[in-house]
Amino acid sequence: DIQMTQSPSSLSASVGDRVTITCRASQSISSYLNWYQQKPGKAPNLLIHAASSLQSGVPSRFRGSGSGTDFTLTISSLQPEDLALYSCQQTYSLPPTFGGGTKVEIK
Amino acid sequence: EMQLLESGGGLVQPGGSLRLSCAASGFTFNTYAMNWVRQAPGKGLEWVSIVDSSGDGTKYADSVKGRFTISRDNSKNRLYLQMNRLRADDTALYYCAKSDCDSTGCYTVDYWGQGTLVTVSS
Repeated sequence: DIQMTQSPSSLSASVGDRVTITCRASQSISSYLNWYQQKPGKAPNLLIHAASSLQSGVPSRFRGSGSGTDFTLTISSLQPEDLALYSCQQTYSLPPTFGGGTKVEIK
Repeated sequence: EMQLLESGGGLVQPGGSLRLSCAASGFTFNTYAMNWVRQAPGKGLEWVSIVDSSGDGTKYADSVKGRFTISRDNSKNRLYLQMNRLRADDTALYYCAKSDCDSTGCYTVDYWGQGTLVTVSS
């Protein structure tokens, strides 16, 4: 199975800050990488697919980048409603695997 | 509006069985693959199984292979997960999740239900 490692596991930032979350795959996955946002007590929501494609309806402050083994999710200007757990997922091979998640808190 | 509503979770003893159900509405159910994804308390997401749009093709995580069976009834817009020989480490919130295309290779989930909780304990 392909292992997905996210860092950091948690972070605290102020409203308006630029936030960066990284995801590393244990082998090359090309651009088969998704990012999900899970707000407290809610189901996950697809933010980014194919490493850098913004899902319809997702604010433009979210940006995904990377290919191969190293990927990044950037929130350009953190908002209070961005409090959530962010998870990456590889869809390159079976089984699709998720990272352990990054908990984003607002200072 | 798209909706996925899971049911069937509960408390079950180790070795027992449960059948989860997911009622889908607001989209053309028989044109998309469907998944079950679970999340143990305080843990990350774990993909469990996928069924293609016709119901003929299925895939499973190794952790559930031989114990769980995914199926669908396109006439009723329903997805199912039959869970047998349940273990304590199957305890989790189980999400019904829609793929963005129709085959068993479509692992991108573009819509999730709210989940149903399965607790395996004596």
